Amino acid sequence: DTGVSQDPRHKITKRGQNVTFRCDPISEHNRLYWYRQTLGQGPEFLTYFQNEAQLEKSRLLSDRFSAERPKGSFSTLEIQRTEQGDSAMYLCASSRSGGAATGELFFGEGSRLTVL
Amino acid sequence: QKEVEQNSGPLSVPEGAIASLNCTYSDRGSQSFFWYRQYSGKSPELIMFIYSNGDKEDGRFTAQLNKASQYVSLLIRDSQPSDSATYLCAVGGSQGNLIFGKGTKLSVKP
Repeated sequence: DTGVSQDPRHKITKRGQNVTFRCDPISEHNRLYWYRQTLGQGPEFLTYFQNEAQLEKSRLLSDRFSAERPKGSFSTLEIQRTEQGDSAMYLCASSRSGGAATGELFFGEGSRLTVL
Repeated sequence: QKEVEQNSGPLSVPEGAIASLNCTYSDRGSQSFFWYRQYSGKSPELIMFIYSNGDKEDGRFTAQLNKASQYVSLLIRDSQPSDSATYLCAVGGSQGNLIFGKGTKLSVKP
């Protein structure tokens, strides 16, 4: 399977702990996106990378959130000092760049975070 | 803050009818517009994109764009129960990201 893969699929943690999610994009895609989705809402943009460069980060994103894509391949999203409001599905997506391909995001299955 | 607005629904239509889904956006400089479908418990998948004013047809789906009114719509003809899902409107930002609306839940009744 050469789709977008995310790990772990489900994470339960206690408030105040740090968590890290990993995303492996489709290999030929140079863009990688992180979104957060809660029940009944659309995906909320967090940040995106083109190759290893982080090109945009949502102003809504707390400084407890950090994302990296060190070699332009896989990416990690770390949440420090988790809060109950961080409970959500964290979606990773990838795409090629240029024209319509830029907007054709291929999503992974998501990593569901539950903060107790 | 760029916004994409959709009626959350639910929108219920009988099988075989036309489903009409609407979306408005706030950033007048937006250039690319997308419709994604999300089945319950699954991730979104792209069904159509449109860049120019007017209509774009793909099978049973037609996307319509009116940049002057900052309005995008999706028509689904001959709706099937398998079309029951949440439909997400997404708008391409100037920085290359995609901003999603909250989605409209569509239910097609047999």
